Amino acid sequence: NAGVTQTPKFQVLKTGQSMTLQCAQDMNHNSMYWYRQDPGMGLRLIYYSASEGTTDKGEVPNGYNVSRLNKREFSLRLESAAPSQTSVYFCASSYDRGGSRGETQYFGPGTRLLVL
Amino acid sequence: LAKTTQPISMDSYEGQEVNITCSHNNIATNDYITWYQQFPSQGPRFIIQGYKTKVTNEVASLFIPADRKSSTLSLPRVSLSDTAVYYCLVGDGNTGGFKTIFGAGTRLFVKA
Repeated sequence: NAGVTQTPKFQVLKTGQSMTLQCAQDMNHNSMYWYRQDPGMGLRLIYYSASEGTTDKGEVPNGYNVSRLNKREFSLRLESAAPSQTSVYFCASSYDRGGSRGETQYFGPGTRLLVL
Repeated sequence: LAKTTQPISMDSYEGQEVNITCSHNNIATNDYITWYQQFPSQGPRFIIQGYKTKVTNEVASLFIPADRKSSTLSLPRVSLSDTAVYYCLVGDGNTGGFKTIFGAGTRLFVKA
């Protein structure tokens, strides 16, 4: 199993450009998450999807949209990138509710995004 | 919203036991306490999880007092490869566990 995969690994954007970060998991997990991590900081939850067909906002959703395409895939879209969105983006998945209710989250390798 | 407090950084030497304490005064009744490890340029990796008392696995031990307002991650005989950031997580108590809070974590430096 590949676990959680993310594409691309690196991306440079100009302010105002749009892009979609892709995430896929092959563990038959129900829940998926998008986090961002700024230098020297912890991870902050952007959006999550409790199950296929549902999405909800996390701690820092502004400037992002998500799509839970199917059970395997969860994409994150930046419609109009801003320098403040320069960060490392991690996708994660869990069988059920991750973190506080006892389900381990499995993380992808991350996408490093630079917005100029 | 549940929040955790950890030391920003800790130093240790190879072969020593390292204990990292996390404070979570507002932990909800149903919340588990989970610890993750993150190496540079990688995503976090699950280490250990517990609800109360003591949990031990092949990597670490987790000690949780009766009031559950804190927890201590214990790494026995650390090596250079244990240099990483360690995060303590609890949920927010209100949204079914999805809005977990990572915080800034504890940066552990293991020296030779």
